[in-house]
Amino acid sequence: SQQGEEDPQALSIQEGENATMNCSYKTSINNLQWYRQNSGRGLVHLILIRSNEREKHSGRLRVTLDTSKKSSSLLITASRAADTASYFCATETTPYSGGGADGLTFGKGTHLIIQP
Amino acid sequence: EAEVAQSPRYKITEKSQAVAFWCDPISGHATLYWYRQILGQGPELLVQFQDESVVDDSQLPKDRFSAERLKGVDSTLKIQPAELGDSAMYLCASSLATPKETQYFGPGTRLLVL
Repeated sequence: SQQGEEDPQALSIQEGENATMNCSYKTSINNLQWYRQNSGRGLVHLILIRSNEREKHSGRLRVTLDTSKKSSSLLITASRAADTASYFCATETTPYSGGGADGLTFGKGTHLIIQP
Repeated sequence: EAEVAQSPRYKITEKSQAVAFWCDPISGHATLYWYRQILGQGPELLVQFQDESVVDDSQLPKDRFSAERLKGVDSTLKIQPAELGDSAMYLCASSLATPKETQYFGPGTRLLVL
């Protein structure tokens, strides 16, 4: 079963505009991660935010986390055509024990299209 | 930059046939994961290895799927017999033993069962 749900399912904007995607999840988490997937390719890790953090930046990316609402958002500023991809949030819920199961639970993704 | 390798990249097979996928994680990564991604969905975990041991295979359909990582390095995922519903992208990922937070994904194997 999938833990996270991204919103919107699809988003089309003009190059240079900002893109915002949201993710909601159901259970308590250790951390939340965002991944990007270009068409037919593997996933690329973008950013990780821990459950005790509220905001994190990486280049043109800004991620927020609201654990009280069980939600996160990913903002891509000054979008480029190369940002066209699917974006997934993923959660890890198992307490880190050094040897336990910690497979990520992914949402269905937001498909982002940047119009040149 | 080190990458997770997977082969083949594409596989077409007929139902009831056997298929196998191979994954070579980033050198030094003790943890290896196999995910299945159906078109339009996010990846779903099938099995997780820590070195050569299975840590979690609760979502692996064991009647037809098997996975092994005999020497704790590369891994093979097998499906026998393949069914039409197995058509999907099979992704392998690896991570450091400590911390295990960031998973690095391979390019995937796209399987089509006819």
